[in-house]
Amino acid sequence: AQKVTQAQTEISVVEKEDVTLDCVYETRDTTYYLFWYKQPPSGELVFLIRRNSFDEQNEISGRYSWNFQKSTSSFNFTITASQVVDSAVYFCALSEAYGANSKLTFGKGITLSVRP
Amino acid sequence: NAGVTQTPKFRVLKTGQSMTLLCAQDMNHEYMYWYRQDPGMGLRLIHYSVGEGTTAKGEVPDGYNVSRLKKQNFLLGLESAAPSQTSVYFCASSYSGAGSLYEQYFGPGTRLTVT
Repeated sequence: AQKVTQAQTEISVVEKEDVTLDCVYETRDTTYYLFWYKQPPSGELVFLIRRNSFDEQNEISGRYSWNFQKSTSSFNFTITASQVVDSAVYFCALSEAYGANSKLTFGKGITLSVRP
Repeated sequence: NAGVTQTPKFRVLKTGQSMTLLCAQDMNHEYMYWYRQDPGMGLRLIHYSVGEGTTAKGEVPDGYNVSRLKKQNFLLGLESAAPSQTSVYFCASSYSGAGSLYEQYFGPGTRLTVT
């Protein structure tokens, strides 16, 4: 069975600090996909990134960066120079199969508060 | 292009009452999903559908039924609501793709309270 662990439940930082959100996953499959979603206070879920298990290159998008390490089964998310608008709940998710059995397993989420 | 919409946005039910939540998507997605979100639990999959006329159980299907009579709509039914079904319900949809899993697009959620 697949599992996603987000051990940090709440993080509070001051604006402009860097912050890393941890995600550890378990899967028996060799082909899988990892995702990050953001849920701001308004409640909607916003897709941030998708990464497949064969692509271990780190990715950077503006102030956001993701570090995927298969050796430690981790897919960590770093926000550089955090801003108040980054305050949200962040979910990491995993899908083992593709096609007809494609399902996401979500972690329990990390609540990030960025103080001015 | 409205994306994924959900009706209603809020609802209060009494124990034992029934209701149907409607999800609609205009992106021609094959796959649709229903999740519930509870504090500290993340999102848990209730039921999903990989195409018109097909449905399957997710992680927490008990007490819910679904139907996918049209490709663009996915209905979630509660036949006899219980307080344990108080939650925020999210619908999502995604493309299908051989050998690939695309990101899911989520609706705005329905906040349901069962008293």
